[in-house]
Amino acid sequence: QKEVEQNSGPLSVPEGAIASLNCTYSDRGSQSFFWYRQYSGKSPELIMSIYSNGDKEDGRFTAQLNKASQYVSLLIRDSQPSDSATYLCAVSNAGGTSYGKLTFGQGTILTVHP
Amino acid sequence: GAGVSQTPSNKVTEKGKYVELRCDPISGHTALYWYRQSLGQGPEFLIYFQGTGAADDSGLPNDRFFAVRPEGSVSTLKIQRTERGDSAVYLCASSFGTSPGTDTQYFGPGTRLTVL
Repeated sequence: QKEVEQNSGPLSVPEGAIASLNCTYSDRGSQSFFWYRQYSGKSPELIMSIYSNGDKEDGRFTAQLNKASQYVSLLIRDSQPSDSATYLCAVSNAGGTSYGKLTFGQGTILTVHP
Repeated sequence: GAGVSQTPSNKVTEKGKYVELRCDPISGHTALYWYRQSLGQGPEFLIYFQGTGAADDSGLPNDRFFAVRPEGSVSTLKIQRTERGDSAVYLCASSFGTSPGTDTQYFGPGTRLTVL
Protein backbone atom coordinates (compact mmCIF):
# COMPACT_ATOMS: atom_id res chain seq x y z
CA GLN A 1 0.00 0.00 0.00
CA LYS A 2 1.31 3.41 -0.96
CA GLU A 3 1.68 5.91 1.86
CA VAL A 4 -0.41 8.53 0.07
CA GLU A 5 -2.88 7.59 -2.64
CA GLN A 6 -4.96 9.85 -4.82
CA ASN A 7 -8.00 9.04 -6.91
CA SER A 8 -6.97 7.84 -10.30
CA GLY A 9 -7.33 10.28 -13.12
CA PRO A 10 -7.44 11.96 -15.33
CA LEU A 11 -10.48 13.88 -14.17
CA SER A 12 -12.41 15.93 -16.69
CA VAL A 13 -15.13 18.40 -15.70
CA PRO A 14 -17.00 21.10 -17.61
CA GLU A 15 -16.35 24.75 -16.88
CA GLY A 16 -18.39 25.93 -13.91
CA ALA A 17 -18.73 22.48 -12.36
CA ILE A 18 -17.34 21.23 -9.03
CA ALA A 19 -14.15 19.19 -9.24
CA SER A 20 -13.59 16.71 -6.40
CA LEU A 21 -10.12 15.38 -5.67
CA ASN A 22 -9.53 12.71 -3.06
CA CYS A 23 -6.56 11.44 -1.11
CA THR A 24 -6.00 8.74 1.52
CA TYR A 25 -2.93 8.25 3.68
CA SER A 26 -1.61 5.36 5.70
CA ASP A 27 0.43 7.01 8.48
CA ARG A 28 -1.83 7.79 11.43
CA GLY A 29 0.90 10.07 12.78
CA SER A 30 0.39 12.50 9.91
CA GLN A 31 -0.50 15.92 11.23
CA SER A 32 -0.36 18.33 8.32
CA PHE A 33 -1.98 18.03 4.92
CA PHE A 34 -1.35 20.05 1.80
CA TRP A 35 -2.71 20.39 -1.70
CA TYR A 36 -0.29 21.55 -4.36
CA ARG A 37 -1.10 22.48 -7.94
CA GLN A 38 1.44 21.75 -10.65
CA TYR A 39 1.10 23.05 -14.17
CA SER A 40 2.81 21.06 -16.88
CA GLY A 41 6.55 21.69 -16.82
CA LYS A 42 6.34 23.85 -13.72
CA SER A 43 7.06 23.35 -10.02
CA PRO A 44 4.41 22.57 -7.38
CA GLU A 45 2.58 25.55 -5.90
CA LEU A 46 0.76 25.37 -2.56
CA ILE A 47 -2.96 26.13 -2.79
CA MET A 48 -4.34 24.79 0.51
CA SER A 49 -3.13 23.48 3.84
CA ILE A 50 -5.26 21.88 6.56
CA TYR A 51 -4.36 20.61 10.01
CA SER A 52 -7.65 19.98 11.85
CA ASN A 53 -10.65 17.80 11.10
CA GLY A 54 -13.39 19.53 9.15
CA ASP A 55 -13.55 21.94 6.28
CA LYS A 56 -11.33 24.86 5.35
CA GLU A 57 -12.43 27.24 2.64
CA ASP A 58 -10.35 29.67 0.60
CA GLY A 59 -12.14 31.29 -2.28
CA ARG A 60 -13.26 28.60 -4.70
CA PHE A 61 -11.25 25.93 -2.90
CA THR A 62 -12.39 23.83 0.06
CA ALA A 63 -10.17 21.29 1.77
CA GLN A 64 -11.78 18.59 3.92
CA LEU A 65 -9.96 16.45 6.46
CA ASN A 66 -11.14 13.34 8.30
CA LYS A 67 -8.30 11.92 10.39
CA ALA A 68 -10.37 8.97 11.64
CA SER A 69 -10.87 7.83 8.05
CA GLN A 70 -7.37 9.01 7.02
CA TYR A 71 -8.91 10.94 4.19
CA VAL A 72 -8.39 14.42 2.78
CA SER A 73 -10.13 15.99 -0.18
CA LEU A 74 -10.11 19.15 -2.25
CA LEU A 75 -13.19 20.65 -3.85
CA ILE A 76 -12.88 23.26 -6.56
CA ARG A 77 -16.10 25.17 -7.16
CA ASP A 78 -16.92 26.99 -10.39
CA SER A 79 -14.02 25.24 -12.14
CA GLN A 80 -12.19 27.28 -14.74
CA PRO A 81 -10.00 26.15 -17.65
CA SER A 82 -7.08 27.78 -15.80
CA ASP A 83 -7.59 25.18 -13.04
CA SER A 84 -6.43 22.48 -15.48
CA ALA A 85 -3.30 21.05 -13.87
CA THR A 86 -2.02 18.15 -11.79
CA TYR A 87 -3.10 18.30 -8.16
CA LEU A 88 -0.77 16.77 -5.61
CA CYS A 89 -1.78 15.71 -2.12
CA ALA A 90 1.04 15.82 0.44
CA VAL A 91 1.20 14.86 4.11
CA SER A 92 3.71 15.61 6.85
CA ASN A 93 4.39 13.88 10.13
CA ALA A 94 4.75 16.35 12.99
CA GLY A 95 7.36 14.48 14.91
CA GLY A 96 10.39 12.26 14.79
CA THR A 97 13.20 12.42 12.29
CA SER A 98 10.78 12.82 9.40
CA TYR A 99 9.60 16.18 10.72
CA GLY A 100 9.10 18.49 7.75
CA LYS A 101 9.36 15.78 5.12
CA LEU A 102 6.44 15.85 2.68
CA THR A 103 5.13 12.56 1.31
CA PHE A 104 3.27 13.10 -1.94
CA GLY A 105 0.63 11.15 -3.76
CA GLN A 106 1.06 10.39 -7.44
CA GLY A 107 -1.13 13.33 -8.45
CA THR A 108 -4.46 13.65 -10.22
CA ILE A 109 -4.63 15.34 -13.60
CA LEU A 110 -7.60 17.69 -13.83
CA THR A 111 -8.88 19.04 -17.12
CA VAL A 112 -11.60 21.69 -17.16
CA HIS A 113 -13.15 21.96 -20.61
CA PRO A 114 -15.06 25.02 -21.81
CA GLY B 1 11.02 39.02 -3.62
CA ALA B 2 13.15 36.33 -5.16
CA GLY B 3 11.93 32.78 -4.94
CA VAL B 4 13.90 29.56 -4.79
CA SER B 5 16.34 29.33 -7.67
CA GLN B 6 17.99 26.24 -9.09
CA THR B 7 20.80 25.82 -11.55
CA PRO B 8 21.20 24.49 -14.11
CA SER B 9 17.64 24.26 -15.41
CA ASN B 10 18.65 21.34 -17.61
CA LYS B 11 21.57 18.98 -17.36
CA VAL B 12 22.41 16.25 -19.85
CA THR B 13 25.20 13.90 -18.89
CA GLU B 14 26.56 10.51 -19.78
CA LYS B 15 26.24 7.40 -17.68
CA GLY B 16 29.01 7.22 -15.12
CA LYS B 17 29.66 10.96 -14.93
CA TYR B 18 29.49 13.17 -11.84
CA VAL B 19 26.95 16.01 -11.58
CA GLU B 20 26.24 18.82 -9.17
CA LEU B 21 22.87 20.52 -8.85
CA ARG B 22 22.59 23.83 -7.03
CA CYS B 23 19.76 25.32 -4.99
CA ASP B 24 19.55 28.89 -3.69
CA PRO B 25 16.70 29.13 -1.15
CA ILE B 26 14.54 32.10 -0.27
CA SER B 27 16.51 34.52 1.91
CA GLY B 28 15.91 33.85 5.60
CA HIS B 29 14.64 30.31 5.14
CA THR B 30 16.54 27.92 7.38
CA ALA B 31 14.90 24.71 6.16
CA LEU B 32 15.83 23.31 2.76
CA TYR B 33 14.55 20.16 1.07
CA TRP B 34 15.51 18.17 -2.00
CA TYR B 35 12.92 16.07 -3.84
CA ARG B 36 13.06 14.06 -7.03
CA GLN B 37 10.13 13.80 -9.43
CA SER B 38 9.86 11.20 -12.15
CA LEU B 39 7.42 11.56 -15.02
CA GLY B 40 3.84 10.98 -13.94
CA GLN B 41 4.72 10.72 -10.25
CA GLY B 42 4.61 13.00 -7.26
CA PRO B 43 7.84 14.40 -5.82
CA GLU B 44 9.83 11.95 -3.72
CA PHE B 45 11.71 13.21 -0.65
CA LEU B 46 15.50 12.95 -0.68
CA ILE B 47 16.97 15.05 2.13
CA TYR B 48 16.10 17.83 4.57
CA PHE B 49 18.49 20.45 5.99
CA GLN B 50 17.85 22.58 9.04
CA GLY B 51 20.59 25.18 8.87
CA THR B 52 23.85 23.55 7.87
CA GLY B 53 23.05 20.06 9.07
CA ALA B 54 21.15 17.27 7.34
CA ALA B 55 18.27 16.60 9.74
CA ASP B 56 16.89 13.75 7.65
CA ASP B 57 18.68 12.05 4.74
CA SER B 58 16.54 8.93 4.74
CA GLY B 59 15.34 9.52 1.18
CA LEU B 60 18.75 9.41 -0.50
CA PRO B 61 18.55 6.25 -2.63
CA ASN B 62 22.16 5.12 -2.19
CA ASP B 63 25.66 6.35 -1.42
CA ARG B 64 26.08 7.83 -4.89
CA PHE B 65 23.91 10.70 -3.71
CA PHE B 66 25.22 13.35 -1.35
CA ALA B 67 24.13 16.86 -0.45
CA VAL B 68 25.76 19.72 1.41
CA ARG B 69 24.77 23.12 2.75
CA PRO B 70 28.00 24.43 4.25
CA GLU B 71 26.88 27.95 5.18
CA GLY B 72 23.21 27.30 5.82
CA SER B 73 22.05 28.90 2.61
CA VAL B 74 22.95 27.49 -0.81
CA SER B 75 22.82 23.71 -1.13
CA THR B 76 24.42 21.40 -3.65
CA LEU B 77 23.16 17.93 -4.50
CA LYS B 78 25.95 15.74 -5.80
CA ILE B 79 25.46 12.54 -7.76
CA GLN B 80 28.41 10.28 -8.50
CA ARG B 81 28.59 7.64 -11.23
CA THR B 82 25.24 8.64 -12.67
CA GLU B 83 22.91 5.97 -13.97
CA ARG B 84 20.07 6.21 -16.49
CA GLY B 85 17.61 5.63 -13.64
CA ASP B 86 18.74 8.91 -12.07
CA SER B 87 17.02 10.82 -14.86
CA ALA B 88 14.30 12.96 -13.29
CA VAL B 89 13.46 16.50 -12.26
CA TYR B 90 15.25 17.43 -9.06
CA LEU B 91 13.26 19.92 -7.03
CA CYS B 92 14.48 22.06 -4.19
CA ALA B 93 12.15 23.66 -1.65
CA SER B 94 12.70 25.97 1.30
CA SER B 95 10.67 27.11 4.28
CA PHE B 96 11.11 29.35 7.32
CA GLY B 97 12.00 26.32 9.45
CA THR B 98 10.32 27.60 12.62
CA SER B 99 7.69 24.85 12.44
CA PRO B 100 8.83 22.39 9.78
CA GLY B 101 5.71 20.23 10.03
CA THR B 102 3.39 23.08 9.10
CA ASP B 103 5.57 25.66 7.34
CA THR B 104 4.79 26.20 3.68
CA GLN B 105 7.47 24.75 1.44
CA TYR B 106 8.20 26.90 -1.60
CA PHE B 107 9.53 25.00 -4.57
CA GLY B 108 12.11 26.06 -7.08
CA PRO B 109 11.71 25.51 -10.84
CA GLY B 110 13.72 22.30 -10.73
CA THR B 111 16.67 20.86 -12.61
CA ARG B 112 15.83 18.34 -15.30
CA LEU B 113 18.59 15.74 -15.29
CA THR B 114 18.95 13.42 -18.26
CA VAL B 115 21.49 10.60 -18.11
CA LEU B 116 22.25 9.14 -21.52
